[in-house]
Amino acid sequence: DAGVTQSPTHLIKTRGQQVTLRCSPKSGHDTVSWYQQALGQGPQFIFQYYEEEERQRGNFPDRFSGHQFPNYSSELNVNALLLGDSALYLCASSSRGDQPQHFGDGTRLSIL
Amino acid sequence: GEDVEQSLFLSVREGDSSVINCTYTDSSSTYLYWYKQEPGAGLQLLTYIFSNMDMKQDQRLTVLLNKKDKHLSLRIADTQTGDSAIYFCAEVDSSYKLIFGSGTRLLVRP
Repeated sequence: DAGVTQSPTHLIKTRGQQVTLRCSPKSGHDTVSWYQQALGQGPQFIFQYYEEEERQRGNFPDRFSGHQFPNYSSELNVNALLLGDSALYLCASSSRGDQPQHFGDGTRLSIL
Repeated sequence: GEDVEQSLFLSVREGDSSVINCTYTDSSSTYLYWYKQEPGAGLQLLTYIFSNMDMKQDQRLTVLLNKKDKHLSLRIADTQTGDSAIYFCAEVDSSYKLIFGSGTRLLVRP
């Protein structure tokens, strides 16, 4: 039973570029949430997708957008990258919004 | 506003018990969670407790919940070097988003 998988594992971009991160949820899960974890901090909620719709959004600018596909996988897109976007981006899935969220190993994004 | 607080660092000797504490603010949280993060890895769900419970035991892990004081603790019995990691406490708010503390770094000395 595969857990939450994320790709790529590492990514290096320069300021102003755009990036797409991908997530496949754990089997049987239909809800995907994205979190940003800066170095030395706890994860911060970006947004949550359910039934291909953005259900909730945290305090992140519109440069951060996402998508959920019919197979429940999800993408996180970040436009006009800033140095401050350097972080570990974590995807979590659950079978319903209120059930325990299981995390992938994350994508480490470095902005030069 | 919503806030979760943890102490930053705990050092214990191998074989001793570890107790990691957390305070939270959202009294409507239905679940409270403990996650473990090892270097370079994502978050591993360790255990969780439903808000109408006072205690949950799962092998070496014991979670205690004091709803009146909004205090959560994680006790690890017979702590091993493999338990060295960062431990995050998290509450879930009414919109199902997880709110994390800054994490407690546990160092287990041989």
